[in-house]
Amino acid sequence: QKEVEQNSGPLSVPEGAIASLNCTYSDRVSQSFFWYRQYSGKSPELIMSIYSNGDKEDGRFTAQLNKASQYVSLLIRDSQPSDSATYLCAVNYNGANNLFFGTGTRLTVIP
Amino acid sequence: DAGVTQSPTHLIKTRGQHVTLRCSPISGHKSVSWYQQVLGQGPQFIFQYYEKEERGRGNFPDRFSARQFPNYSSELNVNALLLGDSALYLCASSFLTGTGSYGYTFGSGTRLTVV
Repeated sequence: QKEVEQNSGPLSVPEGAIASLNCTYSDRVSQSFFWYRQYSGKSPELIMSIYSNGDKEDGRFTAQLNKASQYVSLLIRDSQPSDSATYLCAVNYNGANNLFFGTGTRLTVIP
Repeated sequence: DAGVTQSPTHLIKTRGQHVTLRCSPISGHKSVSWYQQVLGQGPQFIFQYYEKEERGRGNFPDRFSARQFPNYSSELNVNALLLGDSALYLCASSFLTGTGSYGYTFGSGTRLTVV
């Protein structure tokens, strides 16, 4: 089983809509969860981190974590064309000094 | 404050050659991690160094090596380059070993093309 799985997309949403990105992870003791945004040809940029079950909101972004179901999601409200990018889910497992990344979901926001 | 700096930004090498990539972490950060990102995939962990000691190694062949210097900068070396080594190489710095509560700050990366 892959450590972190994401739907590679592409996911297309109209401008102003809510974009929902999902990620599942393997059955290991996990500690920290991150969402990175990566524009084409650029390096990943950290946009959200979440550590406990529930929702965490930051501006137009909401991260949701459900450890019992082993999934973490990212909601982007009022999507803008500038949100068009690949979104990477990353997990830090207890005892590991690194992040495990999913393959990313490509999001396109249509004006 | 300068972020994580990597050099060079782009590099073209021939199969069988050797390459050295360089990274300077954010000032005050003592940990440097290296990741490889092949086109269409997520970053894959190669190495982590903290206080000049290797603290983690991913599933990469021995052709890959790294080191960290007293000023916390780091080098990633790849010997006997293969076409499959073509990728974006990312350096990430953090204050402590592991990711703790901080996640990573990545540098802009080095795009390596092996021909």
